[in-house]
Amino acid sequence: AQSVAQPEDQVNVAEGNPLTVKCTYSVSGNPYLFWYVQYPNRGLQFLLKYITGDNLVKGSYGFEAEFNKSQTSFHLKKPSALVSDSALYFCAVRDRSGGGADGLTFGKGTHLIIQP
Amino acid sequence: EAQVTQNPRYLITVTGKKLTVTCSQNMNHEYMSWYRQDPGLGLRQIYYSMNVEVTDKGDVPEGYKVSRKEKRNFPLILESPSPNQTSLYFCASSLGRGWPNSNQPQHFGDGTRLSIL
Repeated sequence: AQSVAQPEDQVNVAEGNPLTVKCTYSVSGNPYLFWYVQYPNRGLQFLLKYITGDNLVKGSYGFEAEFNKSQTSFHLKKPSALVSDSALYFCAVRDRSGGGADGLTFGKGTHLIIQP
Repeated sequence: EAQVTQNPRYLITVTGKKLTVTCSQNMNHEYMSWYRQDPGLGLRQIYYSMNVEVTDKGDVPEGYKVSRKEKRNFPLILESPSPNQTSLYFCASSLGRGWPNSNQPQHFGDGTRLSIL
């Protein structure tokens, strides 16, 4: 079985400060990892993914994520937060062997609030 | 523009009255999926389809039906809706090549908010 944990329901950051949204995962094999963002009244939008190779992955809107195999983590980061980054963020994992219904499991989501 | 389109966006209905939520994608994707989103539970998969006429249950299929007669369409059917199916529903699609080993991200519709009274 595979699972994703996003330990924080909400993260508050002042505009201009760096932000981190945490994600840890559990899979039996090697993972594909994804981050999605959801703005109010919209569907999920793809931000970035880790497949293989460089542990630091860069994505849309200045976001990046660091894959850490030993800690089974894939934290989302941004050097300088914008008010417009305020949204709901989802981490997702897929076992490369494709276990599960479609192999993709989502975390429960983290509300990111950027204060002016 | 590449997109996944869901209709309706909002629906309030009563227990037992059959309803269908439509989903259409214009990207020629093979794989389509339905999720429900509930507070504190994240997204849970209801049904998925790997191609035309191929559908399978996800994690929470009870009370739902789907069909995939055409590649672009994947309707979600609630034959006898109940209040516990009040939720926010999302349709998603992806290329699906080599699925389930693909690393391609899914494209999501804007959601359908269902309220079953």
